[in-house]
Amino acid sequence: GAGVSQSPRYKVAKRGQDVALRCDPISGHVSLFWYQQALGQGPEFLTYFQNEAQLDKSGLPSDRFFAERPEGSVSTLKIQRTQQEDSAVYLCASSLEGQGVYGYTFGSGTRLTVV
Amino acid sequence: RKEVEQDPGPFNVPEGATVAFNCTYSNSASQSFFWYRQDCRKEPKLLMSVYSSGNEDGRFTAQLNRASQYISLLIRDSKLSDSATYLCVVTVGGSARQLTFGSGTQLTVLP
Repeated sequence: GAGVSQSPRYKVAKRGQDVALRCDPISGHVSLFWYQQALGQGPEFLTYFQNEAQLDKSGLPSDRFFAERPEGSVSTLKIQRTQQEDSAVYLCASSLEGQGVYGYTFGSGTRLTVV
Repeated sequence: RKEVEQDPGPFNVPEGATVAFNCTYSNSASQSFFWYRQDCRKEPKLLMSVYSSGNEDGRFTAQLNRASQYISLLIRDSKLSDSATYLCVVTVGGSARQLTFGSGTQLTVLP
């Protein structure tokens, strides 16, 4: 597609529920990043994929967070047993390669609210 | 201490004013520097890259001081459409240049 597509746009989850957030990057983009943006803060890095390989997951806040990109295109961020502190906007970005030489394109994000 | 620090503002300025934002970063190994713009409830979008020699894009001028680990953005003749949050961003080399964001500076340009 023309841009990075994320779904759902909004998600309300009850505390303890599992959620799955989807990112469809620009076709042909090798690199895919997930970021978490809390209200009033800048985005914070969660994890990075190069094709299907998850090369960096140092930003994932707990073992309740899991990301995959099995075929090197679409990626899913899964949060198990959601907590209120997980409420944030989850942004996906893709790049033609990992060094950002050609820039990064962000999706519109998924706004997760845990109640 | 956050890796990238910015004054959160808000900055409320009249149309036509000149406004400057500052940013400091803590990792001396940082290699690339950017200003991103984020409108309310939208995704961040690249405004401009920042080079050591300084660079200008229309009404926007960015400066980088590697010795002081300091980045600035100057907006001249501000427009109502400049109202947004401005995010200072750095990358550190490695297998992938993940973006490290500041918390952003909120700008409102008033008519």
